[in-house]
Amino acid sequence: GAGVSQSPSNKVTEKGKDVELRCDPISGHTALYWYRQSLGQGLEFLIYFQGNSAPDKSGLPSDRFSAERTGGSVSTLTIQRTQQEDSAVYLCASSLERAAEAFFGQGTRLTVV
Amino acid sequence: DQQVKQNSPSLSVQEGRISILNCDYTNSMFDYFLWYKKYPAEGPTFLISISSIKDKNEDGRFTVFLNKSAKHLSLHIVPSQPGDSAVYFCAASPYYGNKLVFGAGTILRVKS
Repeated sequence: GAGVSQSPSNKVTEKGKDVELRCDPISGHTALYWYRQSLGQGLEFLIYFQGNSAPDKSGLPSDRFSAERTGGSVSTLTIQRTQQEDSAVYLCASSLERAAEAFFGQGTRLTVV
Repeated sequence: DQQVKQNSPSLSVQEGRISILNCDYTNSMFDYFLWYKKYPAEGPTFLISISSIKDKNEDGRFTVFLNKSAKHLSLHIVPSQPGDSAVYFCAASPYYGNKLVFGAGTILRVKS
């Protein structure tokens, strides 16, 4: 597709379970971002991949959160031992190298019960 | 530490009038600024941007103004339309191609 694709669109999981969220960026975009938006809150930066550089993980809230980007394309955000406070919409975005304009996917709504 | 601040959580404007959304930043290294619009259940969409070498950028009904000395930018929408009702996020980047830092957003309601 032409846009950023995220899956699943919705995920309900039990507290303590692990979840994986997937992001397919726009073809040719070398930068990939993960953000999350909790209810009533703004966009919280999580992690940023740029080409072959080491990712900027400064926004990950705890060591339960990790992300990888395979082959410079698809990215997976993993949350281990989910907690209720992890409930949020997780947004992925991508952009061209040296272009700050990022294009967002529709997000994954994660609900931890 | 909120580096990008949108101090107005919401704004209500009559259709046809001007909407002015404000954003302040603290990091003097920011030199590229963007506005995004977000509808419910959708991802944010890029609206307009401005680099620090400019003080104004215009695109149709949307104009962004940058005051570097005050570390302040604003988005003007003229005339406002009901379809403009959405959450507007201000974002900033330390340099072209770096990660974006977002504000908390302002809910704009345009009344018909």
